[in-house]
Amino acid sequence: GAGVSQSPSNKVTEKGKDVELRCDPISGHTALYWYRQSLGQGLEFLIYFQGNSAPDKSGLPSDRFSAERTGGSVSTLTIQRTQQEDSAVYLCASTQGRGRNTIYFGEGSWLTVV
Amino acid sequence: AQSVTQLDSQVPVFEEAPVELRCNYSSSVSVYLFWYVQYPNQGLQLLLKYLSGSTLVESINGFEAEFNKSQTSFHLRKPSVHISDTAEYFCAVSGTGEGNKLTFGTGTQLKVEL
Repeated sequence: GAGVSQSPSNKVTEKGKDVELRCDPISGHTALYWYRQSLGQGLEFLIYFQGNSAPDKSGLPSDRFSAERTGGSVSTLTIQRTQQEDSAVYLCASTQGRGRNTIYFGEGSWLTVV
Repeated sequence: AQSVTQLDSQVPVFEEAPVELRCNYSSSVSVYLFWYVQYPNQGLQLLLKYLSGSTLVESINGFEAEFNKSQTSFHLRKPSVHISDTAEYFCAVSGTGEGNKLTFGTGTQLKVEL
């Protein structure tokens, strides 16, 4: 597709369950970000992948959160043992990798933990 | 590493009035600066950016921002707002080096009232 694609668009899960959120970046984009946006909050950086470099995981809030990017393309964000405070919109974005390039966001995955 | 401060979480303004959304950044290296906008129920999109050259940059819908290196600021202004400008505005900064990640501020909610 032409844009960043995220799935699922909405996910309701029970507390304690694991969830996986998928991101398909724009073809050819070497850099990929995950952000979290909670109700009334700003954008919280989670993780950054740039080419073959080791990912910048400095934003992951706990060890229940992890992400991988396979083949330099698709990325999966995994949240284990979900908690209610994990409820948020998880945004994926990609760019061609240089700081000057525009970053393109997906529509987000709405996660609700009940 | 870079950081961004958006001091105003909400800015209410009447239609046709001028508005300024403040953004200050911190960085030990040269930077690129961006404003992204998120309209209600939509994803984030680029509004304007400063890369180099003229310190005053403009968007197609009448917003402008000026890079002030001495004050480490990149405030967003519009001389006359419209109801359709109601949105959340995010300031972001990136180092100019290869692979530098984008760091966002917490956002400013602009609410335009009749």
